[in-house]
Amino acid sequence: EPEVTQTPSHQVTQMGQEVILRCVPISNHLYFYWYRQILGQKVEFLVSFYNNEISEKSEIFDDQFSVERPDGSNFTLKIRSTKLEDSAMYFCASFRQGANYEQYFGPGTRLTVT
Amino acid sequence: DAKTTQPPSMDCAEGRAANLPCNHSTISGNEYVYWYRQIHSQGPQYIIHGLKNNETNEMASLIITEDRKSSTLILPHATLRDTAVYYCIVSLPNYGQNFVFGPGTRLSVLP
Repeated sequence: EPEVTQTPSHQVTQMGQEVILRCVPISNHLYFYWYRQILGQKVEFLVSFYNNEISEKSEIFDDQFSVERPDGSNFTLKIRSTKLEDSAMYFCASFRQGANYEQYFGPGTRLTVT
Repeated sequence: DAKTTQPPSMDCAEGRAANLPCNHSTISGNEYVYWYRQIHSQGPQYIIHGLKNNETNEMASLIITEDRKSSTLILPHATLRDTAVYYCIVSLPNYGQNFVFGPGTRLSVLP
């Protein structure tokens, strides 16, 4: 069964450093998403991406965040200057309209900012 | 904010049916009801979805009331591995439509 993959599984970084989280969506999916979950809290939407541009973004997704699909298979989330409060699980998801309408989620990357 | 309300927690005996309720009284006519679950801190896992008819798959059954203001997810024979947080989400099945997660129901399956 196809699945969304994410790397790394755990990233530790120092405050102020840039991080890039990587995702490989399911190959025939066209819509991509990033969500995050701070420990003990709800899963929160960050951004959706289609046709090489952002479709929708939340208030959380400020200028410190950016997304990119650099090579037709990877989908990345970059945080330019990490803050302590960016520590969370980050989940990538992908979706193919016209199928069963469900979003498939990856296993997540745990980001720890020290 | 999420358009759904769920009980924060439920217990179920192993082997018995787990019935997880969800209220979505403000659902619009073309919005679907989706159920996902999250085991520990893993990525949310799709379970089932429906519009107005009851649905069944290999994992669960979804019962949607006639007025569509509430639904129930049924796990027919719960196992210890079904212990998870279960999320009921109302959403349009359109591209770019993000999911708004609530706090969900923490289901504990007890031996």
